[in-house]
Amino acid sequence: NAGVTQTPKFQVLKTGQSMTLQCAQDMNHNSMYWYRQDPGMGLRLIYYSASEGTTDKGEVPNGYNVSRLNKREFSLRLESAAPSQTSVYFCASNYALTDTQYFGPGTRLTVL
Amino acid sequence: DAKTTQPPSMDCAEGRAANLPCNHSTISGNEYVYWYRQIHSQGPQYIIHGLKNNETNEMASLIITEDRKSSTLILPHATLRDTAVYYCIVRVYSGAGSYQLTFGKGTKLSVIP
Repeated sequence: NAGVTQTPKFQVLKTGQSMTLQCAQDMNHNSMYWYRQDPGMGLRLIYYSASEGTTDKGEVPNGYNVSRLNKREFSLRLESAAPSQTSVYFCASNYALTDTQYFGPGTRLTVL
Repeated sequence: DAKTTQPPSMDCAEGRAANLPCNHSTISGNEYVYWYRQIHSQGPQYIIHGLKNNETNEMASLIITEDRKSSTLILPHATLRDTAVYYCIVRVYSGAGSYQLTFGKGTKLSVIP
């Protein structure tokens, strides 16, 4: 059981470049989430997906798109990266019976 | 949305109990209190949650006041590995059977040898 996995672990982009952050979970959870964490701050919700085929905006969705490819995978795309998107990105999935979220190890993104 | 207030930092001697307070005075009757922690820069880790009654698991105890306006997370015998940022969160229903967790800045707990 790998839990929640994220790729890549680290990434450096130039302003204007695009990339997709990948997230997968093997716990058969319905809900999945993308957060960002800036230095010294708590996590902020970018997008979430309550179930396969649905996505909704969170607190800070601007500049991002998401795709819930199937029940296991939830990807986050930056179409045109900006320095303000330099952050650590965490993916999570939710265990419905107790409504507890399980987090991946994070992707550390730097936009120059 | 119910918000939480936590002290920014606390120290605790190794082997002693760590008591982390949280104020959530605007919590609604059906909203749960959750605690997560984040060790160094890892992904947050679930600790415990509760609605009204006190709760205990293998990691910690959660004491919720009778009026539900505040709670305390207790780590009974803190170790150096418990050094982390602890987040007190009121879970909010976001529709379609899904809930959101809003993370504040949390309390940075330092366990001292």
